[in-house]
Amino acid sequence: DIQVTQSPSSLSASAGDRVTVTCRASQSIGSFLNWYQHKPGKAPKLLIYAASSLQSGVPSRFSGSGSGTDFTLTITSLQPDDSATYFCQQSYSSLTFGQGTKVEIK
Amino acid sequence: QVQLQESGPGLVKPSQTLSLTCSVSGGSVSSGFHYWSWIRQPAGKALEWIGRIYVGGSTDYNPSLKSRVTISVDTSKNQFSLSLNSVTATDTAVYYCARDTLVHRDVSNYHYYYAMDVWGQGTMVTVSS
Repeated sequence: DIQVTQSPSSLSASAGDRVTVTCRASQSIGSFLNWYQHKPGKAPKLLIYAASSLQSGVPSRFSGSGSGTDFTLTITSLQPDDSATYFCQQSYSSLTFGQGTKVEIK
Repeated sequence: QVQLQESGPGLVKPSQTLSLTCSVSGGSVSSGFHYWSWIRQPAGKALEWIGRIYVGGSTDYNPSLKSRVTISVDTSKNQFSLSLNSVTATDTAVYYCARDTLVHRDVSNYHYYYAMDVWGQGTMVTVSS
């Protein structure tokens, strides 16, 4: 099984800050990595697919990068509405998810 | 737009079968380029993919759950279902259904990228006597 390790598990940042979340796969997965946003009581929302492609309707302050084993989700200029849990998911072999990163606004 | 809604019992007894249904509105479960997936999240733990089905009936299951899982689709009702047998307390979780869409094709490498672009809000299932 391909394991996906996400870090940090939580972070607190101020509005306007640049925030970075990372995922590391236990083996090379090419660009088969997606990022989601999840707010309590709501359906998860796709942000980034294929490592770096922005899903339609998602604000451009969200971006993804990486390939192989190391991937990054970046939020430039953090907004209050970005308070949520973010998780990555690999689809190279079966499907597995990262543990999630809870982002709080100071 | 497409919306998904999970339904089913919130409480299941140990050793029994957990059965959930995902109703699809605003779109068709028969449309191409989509798989229909089930995912779960125990409290305080990561999401776990359970499995998925294509409209033609082909399925993929998480190897760790494969022996206990059946996913089916009912095109006449525009819904798909999850059956998980021999449940224990470790199956207690929030269960989500999702649409897994072909979002990108790299034909030069025969790479087909899927992502879950529509999710239900989830339903809590507790396994307890």
